[in-house]
Amino acid sequence: GENVEQHPSTLSVQEGDSAVIKCTYSDSASNYFPWYKQELGKRPQLIIDIRSNVGEKKDQRIAVTLNKTAKHFSLHITETQPEDSAVYFCAASKGKGGSEKLVFGKGMKLTVNP
Amino acid sequence: GAGVSQSPSNKVTEKGKDVELRCDPISGHTALYWYRQRLGQGLEFLIYFQGNSAPDKSGLPSDRFSAERTGESVSTLTIQRTQQEDSAVYLCASSRSSGGGRTKDDNEQFFGPGTRLTVL
Repeated sequence: GENVEQHPSTLSVQEGDSAVIKCTYSDSASNYFPWYKQELGKRPQLIIDIRSNVGEKKDQRIAVTLNKTAKHFSLHITETQPEDSAVYFCAASKGKGGSEKLVFGKGMKLTVNP
Repeated sequence: GAGVSQSPSNKVTEKGKDVELRCDPISGHTALYWYRQRLGQGLEFLIYFQGNSAPDKSGLPSDRFSAERTGESVSTLTIQRTQQEDSAVYLCASSRSSGGGRTKDDNEQFFGPGTRLTVL
């Protein structure tokens, strides 16, 4: 089955710096890659997603890139702010026609220091 | 509108007891998912329901775990003869469809607040 690896597990940056989180997946049939943000004690919330027919997607300060050949995708956060501090999870899914469950990485705890 | 709701928010039980967790998805969402999140860990897929199709139970860790869903509404996750390793937050999510949708809204899984289960 699908296996999603995420690294680093923790990252600490200064406010205003950029942060990059990298994930790899094992199943070439996966075609949907969402990123979730989970603040302490709260539920995960989708922040951005990308489909396999797109290489890059941007939404204000966050962007996601996908390399299908290498089977890895990354989340980029620019101009980080203290409120970006949270645990970020990447996930992969096969979408329609296959199993639609999300397989999550183990998460990365981002700390943005003011 | 109302988001995904779960009850109870917290459940403390004794080892060996059965527990039942409830999830109310967003109205109109055809897909419903259960995940488990142990302390400091990622989300572990348990089971998902899509309309009237047979559920995908591939993530259930043992036969002590089962889940049901009534039509496209409420779902219950039952854990029989609970063990200490069952202690975790159980998260439910729903989506408009189960992937392959043409818009982000079709794919997005909206999570409930979770049920924190503690097995003593």
